[in-house]
Amino acid sequence: AQSVSQHNHHVILSEAASLELGCNYSYGGTVNLFWYVQYPGQHLQLLLKYFSGDPLVKGIKGFEAEFIKSKFSFNLRKPSVQWSDTAEYFCAVEEGGSYIPTFGRGTSLIVHP
Amino acid sequence: EAGVAQSPRYKIIEKRQSVAFWCNPISGHATLYWYQQILGQGPKLLIQFQNNGVVDDSQLPKDRFSAERLKGVDSTLKIQPAKLEDSAVYLCASSPKGGNRPQHFGDGTRLSIL
Repeated sequence: AQSVSQHNHHVILSEAASLELGCNYSYGGTVNLFWYVQYPGQHLQLLLKYFSGDPLVKGIKGFEAEFIKSKFSFNLRKPSVQWSDTAEYFCAVEEGGSYIPTFGRGTSLIVHP
Repeated sequence: EAGVAQSPRYKIIEKRQSVAFWCNPISGHATLYWYQQILGQGPKLLIQFQNNGVVDDSQLPKDRFSAERLKGVDSTLKIQPAKLEDSAVYLCASSPKGGNRPQHFGDGTRLSIL
């Protein structure tokens, strides 16, 4: 069965620090990749997605992610975090054509002002 | 556009009781998902509908969980009887049919089993 690993469960940063959250998956075929974010008290919402094409994907609020097929990875990055980025971040992977997503366990990010 | 609506927001029941959750997806969204999110974990897909047909229910504990989407619009998820390990947030999501379809999530129902 497909598995999705998010290596960092809790990350604490100061404002303006750079962020990288890891995501690795186990499926060897075609995949659709997502990062979702859940701000405190809000529902899950899409941050960015990769279906095909340029492996460097840009999302909302200055986030980007890079799909590295050889490493089965889809890491999320932001060059300078803000206090408002405090949230839970989830990586999700769909085996191509299945439309059935598998989520990682999430990374809790706290940004200190 | 209106988002995915779920009710109730919170539910507390005793083990062995029954409970039902309701979801109304975004208008026009053909695909509807139910997830279980246990504290400290990511959402786990329980069941996926395409219109009123089941696409995948391989992770649904069918001895106690059931779900339906009779008219291809809103959906209910039921647990009967509930166990302590069912304490979780139950999320509903919907997406349009076809490619480039990120999911839109509701606020979830937080279920506590005493």
